Amino acid sequence: GENVEQHPSTLSVQEGDSAVIKCTYSDSASNYFPWYKQELGKRPQLIIDIRSNVGEKKDQRIAVTLNKTAKHFSLHITETQPEDSAVYFCAARSSGGSYIPTFGRGTSLIVHP
Amino acid sequence: AAGVIQSPRHLIKEKRETATLKCYPIPRHDTVYWYQQGPGQDPQFLISFYEKMQSDKGSIPDRFSAQQFSDYHSELNMSSLELGDSALYFCASSLEGGTYEQYFGPGTRLTVT
Repeated sequence: GENVEQHPSTLSVQEGDSAVIKCTYSDSASNYFPWYKQELGKRPQLIIDIRSNVGEKKDQRIAVTLNKTAKHFSLHITETQPEDSAVYFCAARSSGGSYIPTFGRGTSLIVHP
Repeated sequence: AAGVIQSPRHLIKEKRETATLKCYPIPRHDTVYWYQQGPGQDPQFLISFYEKMQSDKGSIPDRFSAQQFSDYHSELNMSSLELGDSALYFCASSLEGGTYEQYFGPGTRLTVT
């Protein structure tokens, strides 16, 4: 089955800095990669996603890049703000069979004012 | 826009009791997923339903069962509750068997004492 590794587990940055979270996956059949933001005690919220026919996608301060050859994808947050502080989960989902995403272990992002 | 609805939001039960969690998917979504999330962990997939049939099964204990009804809402039934069942339980929904994005509900916090 799919295995998703996510790094780092904790990331501390100053307000205004950029933050990068990296994930690798094992199943070459995976073709959909969502990112979720989860604040303490709240639901995982889909913030951006990318499909395997695209190398990069951007939405305001958030961007995701995908390297299918190397089987890794990254989340980039620019001009971080304190309200970006949360746990971020990457996930990978296969194109066939099960549509259940496999989640990474999460990255706790702390943005210091 | 309408979101996934879960009830109850909080539930306190004693060991060996039973609990029923309910999930109402986003209108027109035909697929429902159940996840369990312990403190500091990523969401663990339990079970999913597509068009009222079980579509995938994850790490759901035999003490738990679930179903999806004709109106697409789903219920997770938990019996012989154990202390280790204390967690956040999320329901998510998507369109067309999971080929589209999953959207999470607000979760039910279950505490077993």
